[in-house]
Amino acid sequence: QVQLQESGPGLVKPSETLSLTCNVSGGSINSFYWNWIRQPPGEGLEWIGYIYYTGSTNYNPSLNSRVTISADTSKNQVSLEVNSVTAADTAVYYCARARGRPGKMEFFDYWGQGTLVTVSS
Amino acid sequence: DIQMTQSPSTLSASVGDRVTITCRASQSISRWLAWYQLKPGKAPKLLIYKASSLESGVPSRFSGSGSGTEFTLTISSLQPDDFATYYCQQYDTHYTFGQGTKLEIK
Repeated sequence: QVQLQESGPGLVKPSETLSLTCNVSGGSINSFYWNWIRQPPGEGLEWIGYIYYTGSTNYNPSLNSRVTISADTSKNQVSLEVNSVTAADTAVYYCARARGRPGKMEFFDYWGQGTLVTVSS
Repeated sequence: DIQMTQSPSTLSASVGDRVTITCRASQSISRWLAWYQLKPGKAPKLLIYKASSLESGVPSRFSGSGSGTEFTLTISSLQPDDFATYYCQQYDTHYTFGQGTKLEIK
């Protein structure tokens, strides 16, 4: 059974960089798509971006310039960085695996429990 | 961006009821739609993909239908574990979610 666990600071100051890690167990990140998704308090879900096992990435255009997703295959981890954060980046951040057709990511079949990150001074 | 609109936002029902949640897309997405169940503090769960395909391990009381711009998620006989928030997600062009439907105990 694939399991995902997010970790990282729960509090980040405005203008700084939010950094989170997703530890994957029960399966290798050397296949599938690995995503970050967030949910601001009281709001809906927003897809942030993915890294494919080949190393290619794809980001939500609304966040593209501030987001970096990377992978460490030796640790079976996926990481997220969001720079220049503001209060609007306060959210529960989820790591999720996705399946899809060749060349096209589709839907998210395994998720972590999520971690709350608050942006505040 | 493709906008996804769910209705209702909140639904009150009782154990044993049949309930239906609707998701509408701002443009045609063929059948590229998934449904998820979210509970506080738990990992979200994939229920349905490609509009009507049941994910392995998901109870058969969950079913999905639709194509184009209108889709439904039906729970045939509500169980206590089903009270949660449900989201649709399109994957035709990028990836966007509906705003959610909270299923409450009446």
